[in-house]
Amino acid sequence: DIVMTQSPDSLAVSLGERATINCKSSQSVLYSSNNRNYLAWYQQKPGQPPKLLIYWASTRESGVPDRFSGSGSGTDFTLTISSLQAEDVAVYYCQQYYSVPPYTFGQGTKLEIK
Amino acid sequence: EVQLVESGGGLVQPGGSLRLACAASGFTVSSNYMSWVRQAPGKGLEWVSIIYSGGSTYYADSVKGRFTISRDNSKNTLYLQMNTLRAEDTAVYYCARSRVAIGYFDPWGQGTLVTVSS
Repeated sequence: DIVMTQSPDSLAVSLGERATINCKSSQSVLYSSNNRNYLAWYQQKPGQPPKLLIYWASTRESGVPDRFSGSGSGTDFTLTISSLQAEDVAVYYCQQYYSVPPYTFGQGTKLEIK
Repeated sequence: EVQLVESGGGLVQPGGSLRLACAASGFTVSSNYMSWVRQAPGKGLEWVSIIYSGGSTYYADSVKGRFTISRDNSKNTLYLQMNTLRAEDTAVYYCARSRVAIGYFDPWGQGTLVTVSS
């Protein structure tokens, strides 16, 4: 199974500042035949289900603000929020869908306001 | 609108059984890859099971042999039959659709809480 490891576990950022969350997979999730990284990011607010933010490592879901961006390839990925807003307080998860089943998620990163 | 609504959660004693349902609207369950994902209180996300459009089913090792995923095409509903429940199965259970074949999950249902306790 592919193990997904996020860092940090928690993060406090000032409003308007940049937030960066990292995700590392235990093996590459890049499919060479189509040059796509099988990596998604989700946002989960308290009492709500996860919400898809990013897929194929860098494709923003429709309706997601453009301050959210995903980058990386192979085994190392980053979710960046360019200018933190109050409504971005949440737990963020990465997920691989390269070698499934099983689908595996990172342990989550809790993002708070400093 | 594409939507998933779970039901069937509740309090059950260890060793007991429960069946969760996930009613879909806006798309056809049988034409999609559908999963169950759970989240223990205060913990992260754990994939539980998937049923492919062709009918193949797969399970996490933690539930294999105890849980069964199925669907009712006439009701456009996904199910999770959970037997021999343990305290560690206590979680919010979400159903989710894979947007592309075995890909990322969207949408997710709102979740249903299963509590296994005596």
